[in-house]
Amino acid sequence: GQQLNQSPQSMFIQEGEDVSMNCTSSSIFNTWLWYKQDPGEGPVLLIALYKAGELTSNGRLTAQFGITRKDSFLNISASIPSDVGIYFCAGQENTSGTYKYIFGTGTRLKVLA
Amino acid sequence: GAGVSQSPSNKVTEKGKDVELRCDPISGHTALYWYRQRLGQGLEFLIYFQGNSAPDKSGLPSDRFSAERTGESVSTLTIQRTQQEDSAVYLCASSHRATYGYTFGSGTRLTVV
Repeated sequence: GQQLNQSPQSMFIQEGEDVSMNCTSSSIFNTWLWYKQDPGEGPVLLIALYKAGELTSNGRLTAQFGITRKDSFLNISASIPSDVGIYFCAGQENTSGTYKYIFGTGTRLKVLA
Repeated sequence: GAGVSQSPSNKVTEKGKDVELRCDPISGHTALYWYRQRLGQGLEFLIYFQGNSAPDKSGLPSDRFSAERTGESVSTLTIQRTQQEDSAVYLCASSHRATYGYTFGSGTRLTVV
């Protein structure tokens, strides 16, 4: 199935460092979402973006909806061990009444205490 | 219920057998989605329900896969004549409106032996 390009694929960082990841697409999306998935669990919604250029924060997390509507960025400030997990971006198309989200390939984050 | 509930949480089946996976969405959520996640991979869209109808079935990988939804509530994903490549976590998600971010269940881990 179709997937978004997400980078980096994985990263190890020291506790307290800031983290950045991004997602790009060849398609224009109307909505961007960022999810975090812990082992054995379903993804949990972190941030939703509905407007090009929008910058939204949720605690230490900040995400932006790219101006071109083909990309999005997620930043995590002052990382802590519980930030470990897989982060997925998801973009929503709205063509012919289809509201499915296309998911990125994921960024695996490991935080070293 | 408070969240999206999926059952069973784990299913081991013999190749060639049929399986049914169940999803109970959050009460009042009209949009329901099924995704598949292979080990170490991202989420692959399968099917989207709006109410009891399925406007988008484009992600179903073959005619062995089918899904239905009744009473704008419970959905069942059926896989006939299971193959080893069907082994994956099957995730269900629901949303109050199709354009909103959705809430995922914990998934059903299917293993075909």
